[in-house]
Amino acid sequence: DAGVIQSPRHEVTEMGQEVTLRCKPISGHDYLFWYRQTMMRGLELLIYFNNNVPIDDSGMPEDRFSAKMPNASFSTLKIQPSEPRDSAVYFCASSPTGAETQYFGPGTRLLVL
Amino acid sequence: GQQLNQSPQSMFIQEGEDVSMNCTSSSIFNTWLWYKQEPGEGPVLLIALYKAGELTSNGRLTAQFGITRKDSFLNISASIPSDVGIYFCAGLGGSQGNLIFGKGTKLSVKP
Repeated sequence: DAGVIQSPRHEVTEMGQEVTLRCKPISGHDYLFWYRQTMMRGLELLIYFNNNVPIDDSGMPEDRFSAKMPNASFSTLKIQPSEPRDSAVYFCASSPTGAETQYFGPGTRLLVL
Repeated sequence: GQQLNQSPQSMFIQEGEDVSMNCTSSSIFNTWLWYKQEPGEGPVLLIALYKAGELTSNGRLTAQFGITRKDSFLNISASIPSDVGIYFCAGLGGSQGNLIFGKGTKLSVKP
């Protein structure tokens, strides 16, 4: 079975540009999580969805960040406009039951110049 | 907010040695999890602990949920080169999605 799929795997963009990260969760998983990983702050939860509905977005840094889950098999994390401090690895994870059984994708490495 | 203090930050050991790492918090957690992350990959769940005092093994890995519910330990016995990676502890508090991660312990194993 395919795991969590994320695209692109790498993204290099210039400050001010819009960035869209994509995630396809494992089929049948009702929970989807977006994380950001940096050396300084480690792994931070940005937002999570249950049955396509955002449950907790308190980790979203600011209004430049938005996430959607239009259906059970697809989610996006958008940054507009992007800034150099957004450079990080962004992970998507899905789970059939909740936070304690998360399966992580391979991540998207974002570099904003 | 809740924070997890994970130590040590890094370890350099010889193949065959045992490894111990731990995670502490000022807050109580209901669930403790241990993940391993290899370069270019996402974290992979190794062990989940659900009860204070619980001791759980997964092959050469053993983890314990501290009695106070504020700490957890991970031991790796007879390390091998493929144990190399970053090990993260994570605690789950009151909210279903509120998984807090430690900063990780980077393990290097010399053959």
